[in-house]
Amino acid sequence: GAGVSQSPSNKVTEKGKDVELRCDPISGHTALYWYRQSLGQGLEFLIYFQGNSAPDKSGLPSDRFSAERTGGSVSTLTIQRTQQEDSAVYLCASSLGRGRFRYGYTFGSGTRLTVV
Amino acid sequence: AQSVTQLGSHVSVSEGALVLLRCNYSSSVPPYLFWYVQYPNQGLQLLLKYTTGATLVKGINGFEAEFKKSETSFHLTKPSAHMSDAAEYFCAVSDVRNTPLVFGKGTRLSVIA
Repeated sequence: GAGVSQSPSNKVTEKGKDVELRCDPISGHTALYWYRQSLGQGLEFLIYFQGNSAPDKSGLPSDRFSAERTGGSVSTLTIQRTQQEDSAVYLCASSLGRGRFRYGYTFGSGTRLTVV
Repeated sequence: AQSVTQLGSHVSVSEGALVLLRCNYSSSVPPYLFWYVQYPNQGLQLLLKYTTGATLVKGINGFEAEFKKSETSFHLTKPSAHMSDAAEYFCAVSDVRNTPLVFGKGTRLSVIA
């Protein structure tokens, strides 16, 4: 597609429920990133996929968080047993990938998650 | 580990005045540096970047930034602020190892008429 698409744009869930957030990157972009944006905290790196390589999960805050990327394209971020501190905007970005990083990332508009 | 510090969580300028948003970074290897802008309820948009070559880089909307290795800085400037510049600005760092971008906490720019 023309840009990075994220769905849903807004999600309200009850504490303890599981949620899935979807990211559809730009066609041909081999690298995909998930970030979390909390008020006043900037962007926190969560996970990074590059082609068929094992993902870099070093930013995931707990084992309640997981992500997968199917067919090198669409990615899903799953949060299990949501907590109120998970409330944030979850941003997805894609790029042309390793060795071509100088072109920067293209971000989606994000999913605003509210846990009540 | 890399890090970014943005001085001032909120900067307010008058329309037509100089915009200066400060960014200092820490990196053990030569950095790649970026500025992104975020308008309300939107994703981040790349303003400009430094990877190699000329240390003064020009971006969109009249913004520019200068990489100063000796000061570990990458401050963002614009000679004359416009109302449409009001947004959140983020500085970010990576490097030749292609590590995921590390972002600062952001600076909210307000422009007063």
